[in-house]
Amino acid sequence: QSALTQPPSVSGSPGQSVTISCTGTSSDVGSYNRVSWYQQPPGTAPKLMIYEVSNRPSGVPDRFSGSKSGNTASLTISGLQAEDEADYYCSLYSSSSTPFVLFGGGTKLTVL
Amino acid sequence: QLQLQESGPGLVKPSETLSVTCTVSGGSMISTTYYWGWLRQPPGKGLEWIGSIYYSGNTYYNPSLKSRVTISVDTSKKKLSLKLTSVTAADTALYYCARLMPISGMAFDPWGQGTLVTVSS
Repeated sequence: QSALTQPPSVSGSPGQSVTISCTGTSSDVGSYNRVSWYQQPPGTAPKLMIYEVSNRPSGVPDRFSGSKSGNTASLTISGLQAEDEADYYCSLYSSSSTPFVLFGGGTKLTVL
Repeated sequence: QLQLQESGPGLVKPSETLSVTCTVSGGSMISTTYYWGWLRQPPGKGLEWIGSIYYSGNTYYNPSLKSRVTISVDTSKKKLSLKLTSVTAADTALYYCARLMPISGMAFDPWGQGTLVTVSS
């Protein structure tokens, strides 16, 4: 299995919206809905932001939303805030005969 | 609230075995609804899944590490363990433990704060 593909960096100004893509193949992202997104500010552990493509855990602002189309999942952050500046990682849990977890390479979000 | 805390040796010599432990507090490990996992992050790089262990005791490992990894759980002591044999400099990383929940699509939540293990002579 190959890692999922994310853009290395994205940026936006406060109040704007940004979208981070996560591209896989028809065998992984295209076949499974167990896509999750994690936020990792500098020097901290990752935090779950989205699970099963578009569900938000309790406490995650509704400015964060997820979607999927074909082999690409996306994380959209609307109303950007300075505190959103972090690395973001997508992940896929593949429930094949032998469960496997894939991660994207990560995307650095800069709030201008 | 469930909390996870990793602990490790800090420094391991090449070719030796890396052992890291994760202590769970604020909740039970004994549940058919919880699975547990280990992940790592080399300095300045991305996340990598090492493996997971299910309540049944079944373990699943990243194929790239499978020959060197053992994950186990001691529910009575509320500890999750990771052993990685024959380490090299490429195994230098921040090692995280995390819970997986089927109800959350097998997402990792929460994570421990991580423990840095450096492989060097």
